[in-house]
Amino acid sequence: EIVLTQSPGTLSLSPGERATLSCRASQSVSSSYLAWYQQKPGQAPRLLIYGASSRATGIPDRFSGSESGTDFTLTISRLEPEDFAVYYCQHYGSSRTFGQGTKVEIK
Amino acid sequence: EVQLLESGGGLVQPGGSLRLSCAASGFTFSSYAMSWVRQAPGKEPEWVSAISDSGGSTYYADSVKGRFTISRDKSKNTLYLQMNSLRAEDTAVYYCAKASQGGRPYYFDYWGQGTLVTVSS
Repeated sequence: EIVLTQSPGTLSLSPGERATLSCRASQSVSSSYLAWYQQKPGQAPRLLIYGASSRATGIPDRFSGSESGTDFTLTISRLEPEDFAVYYCQHYGSSRTFGQGTKVEIK
Repeated sequence: EVQLLESGGGLVQPGGSLRLSCAASGFTFSSYAMSWVRQAPGKEPEWVSAISDSGGSTYYADSVKGRFTISRDKSKNTLYLQMNSLRAEDTAVYYCAKASQGGRPYYFDYWGQGTLVTVSS
């Protein structure tokens, strides 16, 4: 089973700053079957990115995803107040595992 | 607009049973795989079970295999999860999630609001 390790656990930033979130897979992820979700307190996860770098419908272009081998990155170019939340990566190929999450909090 | 509305959660004793329902609307229900994903307090989501678009194939996480049964009723546009032999570790918010397509591989493009299941004596 593929294990996804997200880092850092918590990211403390100010609105307007750039956020870089990492998700490392324990083995090769076939065909970039990697998604990113955003979750706010009391809400369900919301799809942001699929296929490692494709934005879901309605997601602002300040959100972008990239990959390099088994390392995946979610970048938020300029944090808006509504972006402070927990972010999860998920592999949806041979397994359906989620990473443990990165919390982006207001500094 | 895609809508997924879960119901059926509640407090149940260890060893008890519960059936969750998810009423779907806003898309062609029979064309997409569906899943249940749960999330214990303060933890990451955990995929629980999935069913193909036709209902002919079902899949389970090892942690629930043999205890949970997923099914769907296309006439009612409803997804179900029958949970038996419940344990304390099954306590979580259970989400219904729509797959991005009918078969694997798929990500979850829409989620319901969740229903809380608490297993405790």
